[in-house]
Amino acid sequence: DVKVTQSSRYLVKRTGEKVFLECVQDMDHENMFWYRQDPGLGLRLIYFSYDVKMKEKGDIPEGYSVSREKKERFSLILESASTNQTSMYLCASSLIVRANEQFFGPGTRLTVL
Amino acid sequence: AQSVTQLDSQVPVFEEAPVELRCNYSSSVSVYLFWYVQYPNQGLQLLLKYLSGSTLVKGINGFEAEFNKSQTSFHLRKPSVHISDTAEYFCAVSVMAGGGADGLTFGKGTHLIIQP
Repeated sequence: DVKVTQSSRYLVKRTGEKVFLECVQDMDHENMFWYRQDPGLGLRLIYFSYDVKMKEKGDIPEGYSVSREKKERFSLILESASTNQTSMYLCASSLIVRANEQFFGPGTRLTVL
Repeated sequence: AQSVTQLDSQVPVFEEAPVELRCNYSSSVSVYLFWYVQYPNQGLQLLLKYLSGSTLVKGINGFEAEFNKSQTSFHLRKPSVHISDTAEYFCAVSVMAGGGADGLTFGKGTHLIIQP
């Protein structure tokens, strides 16, 4: 079974802090994604990566950056957290084959005070 | 750019009744279509997907969806729902374009509420 794990289920940070959200997948997938999920807005793509050290902006990259130093790990970074970044963050991975299924982690609920 | 519209934010249904969750999309190029389900406090799980071929797609847990190109729709159906189907359902598209990775464009979700 494909497993996508996220470092924390719940996280509380203060405004201005630097925040790292970690995601690890164990199926040797090339593609990895970060989404945020907000009530009434569905999921929105923040960043994705199709290879180590490669990254592409999604629909809402402002205020975020990412790092992919190893194939299995994809990190989302909030350089200076703000209250409007309070949200559920979901990581996903997939094979490089077009339109292949994305496998999602359980999510990290981040609250910025 | 593509977009996805899920017409109902909430759908209440009695147990063992049929249900249809509606999804329409907009895109200037051909797309792949997906339905994902999110149970409470969990990540998303693929229900079914349409890539090509037969327009009627069968998925897990008794769900099916029909792709209608002329109406740009991909509605999800189940003939008889159970309490365990209570969840959030998301319709999503990705485009048939070049490149290595496919970010999905999601609808806003439909909360399916099963009433006993």
